[in-house]
Amino acid sequence: GAVVSQHPSWVICKSGTSVKIECRSLDFQATTMFWYRQFPKQSLMLMATSNEGSKATYEQGVEKDKFLINHASLTLSTLTVTSAHPEDSSFYICSARDGPSYNEQFFGPGTRLTVL
Amino acid sequence: AQSVTQLDSHVSVSEGTPVLLRCNYSSSYSPSLFWYVQHPNKGLQLLLKYTSAATLVKGINGFEAEFKKSETSFHLTKPSAHMSDAAEYFCVVSLQADYKLSFGAGTTVTVRA
Repeated sequence: GAVVSQHPSWVICKSGTSVKIECRSLDFQATTMFWYRQFPKQSLMLMATSNEGSKATYEQGVEKDKFLINHASLTLSTLTVTSAHPEDSSFYICSARDGPSYNEQFFGPGTRLTVL
Repeated sequence: AQSVTQLDSHVSVSEGTPVLLRCNYSSSYSPSLFWYVQHPNKGLQLLLKYTSAATLVKGINGFEAEFKKSETSFHLTKPSAHMSDAAEYFCVVSLQADYKLSFGAGTTVTVRA
């Protein structure tokens, strides 16, 4: 149980376009979902926290107008990278928190974004 | 504030020998602690977690970790390394108050044949 999926697993786009990444909890309802960014050979950095039906909370230094997060249901959160530029190229990973296991987050497999 | 320090950026071991990955944490409150493993271009897999129960925690694939409050440590060990253990390992701390995770910088493990 507690499986989280991401789609797409990788995406290549042109500079200036927008890209949407989906994060789904497949077998549980996720009260909270998190979005992380990971640069090559570095650790994960939390970008934002989203709760179903409310606005996402962004970490300091993360542009909320550039990284749009929508948590429309208890099983789906989306991250849209707007007007992407090469410096947005990264590995984006989502996680979801299952209510009964408060401190544990279940991670998706990640999405590799390359902006040309 | 909470933070995690992984004391070794890279650990190299021979197959069949013990592995030790060191982690120290800083937290004002009783934390939950985790070890995750990440293989290249993959997501994170939970190895084990400490959530204020037994201080010696056994995880998957033969890994275990011991929570030592007096030393603020949560070191990860495995008695005998396997080639498949080559990966990136992250020590992670969480406070129940906001459920956010703070990641250590990671330790790269290489296993020599």
